[in-house]
Amino acid sequence: GNSVTQMEGPVTLSEEAFLTINCTYTATGYPSLFWYVQYPGEGLQLLLKATKADDKGSNKGFEATYRKETTSFHLEKGSVQVSDSAVYFCALSSGGSNYKLTFGKGTLLTVNP
Amino acid sequence: EAQVTQNPRYLITVTGKKLTVTCSQNMNHEYMSWYRQDPGLGLRQIYYSMNVEVTDKGDVPEGYKVSRKEKRNFPLILESPSPNQTSLYFCASSLNRAGASSNEQFFGPGTRLTVL
Repeated sequence: GNSVTQMEGPVTLSEEAFLTINCTYTATGYPSLFWYVQYPGEGLQLLLKATKADDKGSNKGFEATYRKETTSFHLEKGSVQVSDSAVYFCALSSGGSNYKLTFGKGTLLTVNP
Repeated sequence: EAQVTQNPRYLITVTGKKLTVTCSQNMNHEYMSWYRQDPGLGLRQIYYSMNVEVTDKGDVPEGYKVSRKEKRNFPLILESPSPNQTSLYFCASSLNRAGASSNEQFFGPGTRLTVL
């Protein structure tokens, strides 16, 4: 079955530091890959996505590249801000009869001023 | 404003007392789904619905029921809640069309349920 593994948190960084959150996946077929963000007390919001190999998703300074050869979709940002503090979830959807998202366990990011 | 709404946002109840968590979306989405979020486990799918009157089990359906009588509403029903159903619940919706596995799923704000 499908699965997503992302780096365990929590991750604590200083403002303007470089961020990487690793994500690898196992899936049948050609899944679509997503990063969702959950701010405190809120639901999940789509941060970025990629639908095929070598696609790069980007939004709000965050980027992730769909690497089929390494089955990875690592999230990066060059300079984090305090407002980026949140829980980040890597997820995949392989379609078929259910567009279920298979999530990683989430990574809590805290950015200090 | 396009959104998914859930009610209630917080609920404390006792074992065995039937409850319903409502979910409604105003985006005319065909696909709707319920997830539960537990520490260390991420989000897991409970039930989903591809369209009106079409529902199916997700990964953790035991102890839950759903219905989809109207396109916009997808209530989650706990007939006899137990403490192991204490969790944070999210409803999500998405368009349902060819190639839709890449579609964004829109999530509600969550319902925090405590079963004593």
